[in-house]
Amino acid sequence: SAVISQKPSRDICQRGTSLTIQCQVDSQVTMMFWYRQQPGQSLTLIATANQGSEATYESGFVIDKFPISRPNLTFSTLTVSNMSPEDSSIYLCSADGQGRETQYFGPGTRLLVL
Amino acid sequence: GEDVEQSLFLSVREGDSSVINCTYTDSSSTYLYWYKQEPGAGLQLLTYIFSNMDMKQDQRLTVLLNKMDKHLSLRIADTQTGDSAIYFCAERRRGGYNKLIFGAGTRLAVHP
Repeated sequence: SAVISQKPSRDICQRGTSLTIQCQVDSQVTMMFWYRQQPGQSLTLIATANQGSEATYESGFVIDKFPISRPNLTFSTLTVSNMSPEDSSIYLCSADGQGRETQYFGPGTRLLVL
Repeated sequence: GEDVEQSLFLSVREGDSSVINCTYTDSSSTYLYWYKQEPGAGLQLLTYIFSNMDMKQDQRLTVLLNKMDKHLSLRIADTQTGDSAIYFCAERRRGGYNKLIFGAGTRLAVHP
C-alpha cells in the first residue's frame, strides 16, 4: 500500500487569503487526486494531477480557485485561493497503489475559514 | 446519473453482524470499494472487489456484489466497538483517470 502524508493537518484561515496543502507519497505514483469533503458530506473529486501535465479539473472546480502543482512522481500541492467560509472542508489527497486497482488516501487537511 | 447510494445510519449490538448496503448506477464500473473513516481521520481502504467477482472475503469482512442489480454490500462479522465509523462505498468508472465516485457514507454505531 502507498503511505500518504499531508501538511498541514489542519488550519484556520482568514477570508480572502490562500492556503497551500502539500501531499507526499512514499513511492512513485502516476496519478494523484485531490478530493474535498464538506462537513457531514461525502467526497467530491476536485482534480486529477499527473506529473508533467496540467491537472484535469472536475465540473464545478477551476484552476484559478484550486491551482495544483505536480513537480515529481511523489509530491503534489493544492492551493485554495481567495478563501471564503464556504471553502471550510477537509481536503484529501489520494494516489493509486501498485497495480492501480487500489487508491489510498492521506489523512486529510481540515480547513476552517473565518 | 452519477449517484452511489447508501443508507445513512446503522446501529448494531456488539458481537452481531453488520451489513452495509450500497447501490451504484454505472454498469461499466471496474472496481468497487469500501472505505472506513473514523472521527477526525482520513479514509482507510478496507477492501475492494473487481466487477467480475461476486464475493470476496477478508477475515471479518465479506463483500457481495450483484452486478445485475448494481448492489454491493459489506458484512462485518462479530462487530466490535472499534468498528464504529463512517463507511463509504465507491465505484471506479471505466475510462478517464480512474476517478472514484463515492456514496454519502453509512454511519455505523456499535452499542453494548
